[in-house]
Amino acid sequence: DIVMTQTPLSSPVTLGQPASISCRSSQSLVHSNRNTYLSWLHQRPGQPPRLLIYKISDRFSGVPDRFSGSGAGTDFTLKISRVEAEDVGIYYCMQHTQFPFTFGQGTKLEI
Amino acid sequence: EVQLVESGGGLVRPGGSLRLSCEVSGFTFSIAWMSWVRQAPGKGLEWVGRVRSKADGESTEYSAPVKGRFTVSRDDSKNTVYLQMNSLKSEDTAVYFCTTAAGLGGDGFDLWGQGTMVTVSS
Repeated sequence: DIVMTQTPLSSPVTLGQPASISCRSSQSLVHSNRNTYLSWLHQRPGQPPRLLIYKISDRFSGVPDRFSGSGAGTDFTLKISRVEAEDVGIYYCMQHTQFPFTFGQGTKLEI
Repeated sequence: EVQLVESGGGLVRPGGSLRLSCEVSGFTFSIAWMSWVRQAPGKGLEWVGRVRSKADGESTEYSAPVKGRFTVSRDDSKNTVYLQMNSLKSEDTAVYFCTTAAGLGGDGFDLWGQGTMVTVSS
């Protein structure tokens, strides 16, 4: 199985300041079709996850442009340019290049 | 409006069975590959299994902890995907979400239900 490792696991942030989360996979996430199926999801307490970023850097519809994704191969990063209060919660990276699909442990963003 | 609505959760004894349902509306269910993801209390997300569309053979894939005990199936006439869970263990206690990447053609899991809670306890 591909192991997804996120750092940090907890990130105290200041409103208006940037934040960054890293995700490393134990194997390359490049699919045979040359796509890299690495997504970032955000979850608030009591809510289902919500897709933010897919295929490393494509922002999902309605996601503010302060969110950006980057990386390649096995190393990926989610950046928030200026943290807002609504950004608190847990962020997960997820790979669906290879079965079984796997998630990172989650990074808790707290103000 | 796109909706995924799970049902069927509840309290079940170890060794028992439960069938979860996820009824979908607002998009073309018949072409969607549907997945189940679970989240144990206070824990992270864990992918459980997936069923492909009928056109793609309705084949299924599972994670190792549930393989042989859980079955994902679908009924396109009812726009519903199921998760049959047998031989349940305490470690299966979780909120179960159905999800799909149908809205993005498989590129990302953009659609999620609210989840249904399954508690396995004596």
